[in-house]
Amino acid sequence: AQTVTQSQPEMSVQEAETVTLSCTYDTSENNYYLFWYKQPPSRQMILVIRQEAYKQQNATENRFSVNFQKAAKSFSLKISDSQLGDTAMYFCAFISNFGNEKLTFGTGTRLTIIP
Amino acid sequence: NAGVTQTPKFQVLKTGQSMTLQCAQDMNHNSMYWYRQDPGMGLRLIYYSASEGTTDKGEVPNGYNVSRLNKREFSLRLESAAPSQTSVYFCASMGDRVVERYTFGSGTRLTVV
Repeated sequence: AQTVTQSQPEMSVQEAETVTLSCTYDTSENNYYLFWYKQPPSRQMILVIRQEAYKQQNATENRFSVNFQKAAKSFSLKISDSQLGDTAMYFCAFISNFGNEKLTFGTGTRLTIIP
Repeated sequence: NAGVTQTPKFQVLKTGQSMTLQCAQDMNHNSMYWYRQDPGMGLRLIYYSASEGTTDKGEVPNGYNVSRLNKREFSLRLESAAPSQTSVYFCASMGDRVVERYTFGSGTRLTVV
């Protein structure tokens, strides 16, 4: 079974600074996807960024980028030029590309952007 | 707007009462899921349905039942609610392409007193 670990329950950073959220995972599979979801106080689950395991290039979406280290099974999220609207819970998630199509989530990191 | 619709958004139950959480999607997705979210534990899978007419247990199925009524609808039933079922419940659906089409509903906050 896959597991996803987020070791930082809470983080805070000053507005406009850069912050990195950590995520590690464990799987015996070779073909899978990794995601970062944002959950603001509205409770909505918002996809921030995704990474396909077979792609070596790290995914980027505007101010959000990942550092994907497949051998180390590490998948961190970097938020550049942080904004007040980035304040939210962030979840790392894993899904296999074969058969089992269930998302496995980490326990989340509560990020607060300080004005 | 296309997406996943959950009802109700909030509910308070007394211990022992029953209720059904409704979920419907209009994206013609085959797979549907029910997750619960608890503080410090992320989202955990309760039940899922890979296609109309099939359902399977997830990580935390005890105390719940599900029905895949048709391709659009996937309901979650609590037969005898317990305080341990106080949680936020999310329904989700997934289309043929995982990375493009995993969509969540807006969640139901359930409190059992």
